[in-house]
Amino acid sequence: QKEVEQDPGPLSVPEGAIVSLNCTYSNSAFQYFMWYRQYSRKGPELLMYTYSSGNKEDGRFTAQVDKSSKYISLFIRDSQPSDSATYLCAMSAPGGYNKLIFGAGTRLAVHP
Amino acid sequence: SQTIHQWPATLVQPVGSPLSLECTVEGTSNPNLYWYRQAAGRGLQLLFYSVGIGQISSEVPQNLSASRPQDRQFILSSKKLLLSDSGFYLCAWSVGGSGYEQYFGPGTRLTVT
Repeated sequence: QKEVEQDPGPLSVPEGAIVSLNCTYSNSAFQYFMWYRQYSRKGPELLMYTYSSGNKEDGRFTAQVDKSSKYISLFIRDSQPSDSATYLCAMSAPGGYNKLIFGAGTRLAVHP
Repeated sequence: SQTIHQWPATLVQPVGSPLSLECTVEGTSNPNLYWYRQAAGRGLQLLFYSVGIGQISSEVPQNLSASRPQDRQFILSSKKLLLSDSGFYLCAWSVGGSGYEQYFGPGTRLTVT
């Protein structure tokens, strides 16, 4: 079993839709959670960073962490064609060299 | 602000040839540095990380090596490339010590022919 599971998609939605992207994990030691956006042939860009359970909002993006269920989500409101990209979740446990464990990424396409 | 550079952006090399990819970070001191490889349609595989000059740790034993000759410079090398070394190579940095967020460079696309 992988430490981090993420549905690869592709996920196709119309412009303006609410998008829900999800990851599950197995290591209860994970405490730091990140979402990255990666456009084709580009490096990943950090979108959201959360610590512990709860919600964090930044503009149209909301990151949600449920540690009891070992489940994290990224919601995108009013999705735009420019949101079309691959979204990677990543997480880390305290200590060491801050190693991140990545999901495989979900490919999202937003149609005009 | 911090900036991370990688070069070259793309590279096509024959099997058996050497490799040198460079990564530099600006605007921060004593960062943690990381090399990842991303195969087509797959997640990121951590190859090497470094917490200081001359300190390199390997995650996956393979045909590659890394060096950190200066605080903000990280180099990925190979003496003889294999076909399986093809991929998208990404360098990342985080704040030394307590920084969990990693920031990625633009990447180098390597094709071994």
